[in-house]
Amino acid sequence: DSGVTQTPKHLITATGQRVTLRCSPRSGDLSVYWYQQSLDQGLQFLIQYYNGEERAKGNILERFSAQQFPDLHSELNLSSLELGDSALYFCSSNKRVTDTQYFGPGTRLTVL
Amino acid sequence: DQQVKQNSPSLSVQEGRISILNCDYTNSMFDYFLWYKKYPAEGPTFLISISSIKDKNEDGRFTVFLNKSAKHLSLHIVPSQPGDSAVYFCAAREAGNMLTFGGGTRLMVKP
Repeated sequence: DSGVTQTPKHLITATGQRVTLRCSPRSGDLSVYWYQQSLDQGLQFLIQYYNGEERAKGNILERFSAQQFPDLHSELNLSSLELGDSALYFCSSNKRVTDTQYFGPGTRLTVL
Repeated sequence: DQQVKQNSPSLSVQEGRISILNCDYTNSMFDYFLWYKKYPAEGPTFLISISSIKDKNEDGRFTVFLNKSAKHLSLHIVPSQPGDSAVYFCAAREAGNMLTFGGGTRLMVKP
């Protein structure tokens, strides 16, 4: 158990819908990162937050957004969903940005 | 453009033998490299890492080698055990914190 929690574990929705994925970092960790893993591919970095502020952006679509709240949990919002958005979404956290990132168990999103 | 590549999607090894997983990168600005292991239905688990100023790092049965001139790193597992069967991702970090992952190699260790 990495100490990073993600909910829900599974999510099935339809095209055009909007969903919210939630991540709670390890106790004391200030940074949260979001990654997308499409079928049999590596993890693609989406976005990073540090202590409530956006720190870095990767290959994140404009339909996707995220935020980190004062209690340091983070939410990833995916809107106008398309079939190609079906993937595993992982979050990770660390205390200092140079520390090892520890990953949550992921949310499997299926868009029908 | 894939900056981190794992060219072998799968590898099968007999229990007790050595497993060698390879990873190539193109970005010379990467200064830190990591290996993660991933079981089905779980998130990636950190395994071992190496700084670009070193060429080898060892932790028990796991050793990572870095060849900067070739932009190549490898993970050696000796001896391999059936519980090592998983998908292994190499990842590289540029000055900062964003990780760039390879596509993964599925290791199967046969009893």
